[in-house]
Amino acid sequence: DQQVKQNSPSLSVQEGRISILNCDYTNSMFDYFLWYKKYPAEGPTFLISISSIKDKNEDGRFTVFLNKSAKHLSLHIVPSQPGDSAVYFCAATANAGGTSYGKLTFGQGTILTVHP
Amino acid sequence: GAGVSQSPSNKVTEKGKDVELRCDPISGHTALYWYRQSLGQGLEFLIYFQGNSAPDKSGLPSDRFSAERTGGSVSTLTIQRTQQEDSAVYLCASSFRLAGMGDTQYFGPGTRLTVL
Repeated sequence: DQQVKQNSPSLSVQEGRISILNCDYTNSMFDYFLWYKKYPAEGPTFLISISSIKDKNEDGRFTVFLNKSAKHLSLHIVPSQPGDSAVYFCAATANAGGTSYGKLTFGQGTILTVHP
Repeated sequence: GAGVSQSPSNKVTEKGKDVELRCDPISGHTALYWYRQSLGQGLEFLIYFQGNSAPDKSGLPSDRFSAERTGGSVSTLTIQRTQQEDSAVYLCASSFRLAGMGDTQYFGPGTRLTVL
């Protein structure tokens, strides 16, 4: 039972255009969502997060949108750069009430390739 | 260093041998997590530490896996009688764990374990 799903294994985008990475989840207890970027032979690097009390969070070129009713989140990268080429993981956790221990449930990842 | 560090970066062992993987979290982070990523798979939660105690060991795949944390800092993941299916990248993450708040975890570079 995969609670966090990234249905697109890969995405190819031209430099300067928008990259949109999608993620769906099934567990309604999830209330905090994160995006990580991972290069080969390195650990995941935190990019941006969003709490379930918000529907948008922006940090520079990165914006995360959360649609709770659809249990869907997306990461927008504008403008995309060749250095953004990496594997992107979405992750979710349940923090409310302190009943969860914050373990992250990850999607399978999407390989983003940005062409010059 | 400022980030999470792990050692060794690579470990090749023979089936049936024991291995120890080490994690040094970010100074002051109270929470520590172990995950692993098998070939072609997403990141899978193994165990969570808050201080020196492990309230959630639910992700450990078998009793051959154990972990400890001492002094609220360094953690060691031990795999006894290794099997080929244990081959994976083992990732450690740490965070300020505040109940009821979003918990951003920062990852180390991982240890790539190969069991021959």
